[in-house]
Amino acid sequence: GDSVTQMEGPVTLSEEAFLTINCTYTATGYPSLFWYVQYPGEGLQLLLKATKADDKGSNKGFEATYRKETTSFHLEKGSVQVSDSAVYFCARKNTGFQKLVFGTGTRLLVSP
Amino acid sequence: GAGVSQSPRYKVAKRGQDVALRCDPISGHVSLFWYQQALGQGPEFLTYFQNEAQLDKSGLPSDRFFAERPEGSVSTLKIQRTQQEDSAVYLCASSLDGTGSYEQYFGPGTRLTVT
Repeated sequence: GDSVTQMEGPVTLSEEAFLTINCTYTATGYPSLFWYVQYPGEGLQLLLKATKADDKGSNKGFEATYRKETTSFHLEKGSVQVSDSAVYFCARKNTGFQKLVFGTGTRLLVSP
Repeated sequence: GAGVSQSPRYKVAKRGQDVALRCDPISGHVSLFWYQQALGQGPEFLTYFQNEAQLDKSGLPSDRFFAERPEGSVSTLKIQRTQQEDSAVYLCASSLDGTGSYEQYFGPGTRLTVT
């Protein structure tokens, strides 16, 4: 069925380090892909999205490219900040359907 | 403007009790979703409303779970005869229309603990 697989955390980095959080999805249908972020004590927020192959979503210095050939949507940031510490969720939504299917989440911890 | 609000934020129930969780979506949003997030997991879809119509309830885990949105605005998720495995954070989200083209905005969630 439809699913999303994320790398397990926590990911621990020093400030200004390069970040990659891996996400792959099952190749069923033509999904839109999303990254959501959950800061401590806050609700889920959409970080970025891509709706078709080769699209790149970007926001707040984060980027992810929809790769159909590798069924991946890896999240990257060139230089992380302490304020980026949060849990990041990869998600998909099939065309014509409303519900989001989430991965298990990856906790990012950035130290000064 | 105001975002999605949920109440209560925390609920402790004894096993076997009934609970009701409330969601106030963003004003004017047509679509409303409920998700269940177990500890250390991602949210899992429970049910979806477009206005007052419940169009998808495929994620409800048992007939103890019931959701309604009678006037197409506020929604209530009811869990009857709660069990320990119902302990989770229940998230509500709303979206502007029913096409699936618009972002889902999430509330802060209700943390349910069943003892």
